[in-house]
Amino acid sequence: DTGVSQDPRHKITKRGQNVTFRCDPISEHNRLYWYRQTLGQGPEFLTYFQNEAQLEKSRLLSDRFSAERPKGSFSTLEIQRTEQGDSAMYLCASSLESSTEAFFGQGTRLTVV
Amino acid sequence: RKEVEQDPGPFNVPEGATVAFNCTYSNSASQSFFWYRQDCRKEPKLLMSVYSSGNEDGRFTAQLNRASQYISLLIRDSKLSDSATYLCVVNPPGNTPLVFGKGTRLSVIA
Repeated sequence: DTGVSQDPRHKITKRGQNVTFRCDPISEHNRLYWYRQTLGQGPEFLTYFQNEAQLEKSRLLSDRFSAERPKGSFSTLEIQRTEQGDSAMYLCASSLESSTEAFFGQGTRLTVV
Repeated sequence: RKEVEQDPGPFNVPEGATVAFNCTYSNSASQSFFWYRQDCRKEPKLLMSVYSSGNEDGRFTAQLNRASQYISLLIRDSKLSDSATYLCVVNPPGNTPLVFGKGTRLSVIA
């Protein structure tokens, strides 16, 4: 499968715990995006990378959220001290720099209990 | 005004019907436009890009009106398999990623 892959697909965690999600983009894509989606809403942009550089992070929801893409390949999104309001689908997408068309992974569904 | 606005629906239509979705965007300098489809509990997938001249792909027709900052999607001869949420997507100017509308839910009924 050469598409965008995300791991885990589902995560249930207790409030206050830290969670980390991984995204592997399509191999030749140098742009990688993180979005969050809640029920009945469209995907909400969080942050994105061009290669290893994080070009936009002001939309991250709070300082509990952070993302990395250390070698310009896979990326991780970490949420510290999770809250019930963090429960959502976290989507990763990738694209070529020269193209605005983005391809999404299947997402990680987070439930904070 | 929200960056991308769509009628959330739901639109419930019989098989074979023609249905149209509308979308408006706030940034007049936006450069690229798309319709994505999202099935229940699945990821969004690109349905079609939207060009200034309008474009058609089988039963689907997309149109862009830059003067009115308006995008439309027309589905002819609806099929049961067209049931999904349709997301209007805009690429604002600058180094800004895609902005999604809330989506319009379509249910095609036998």
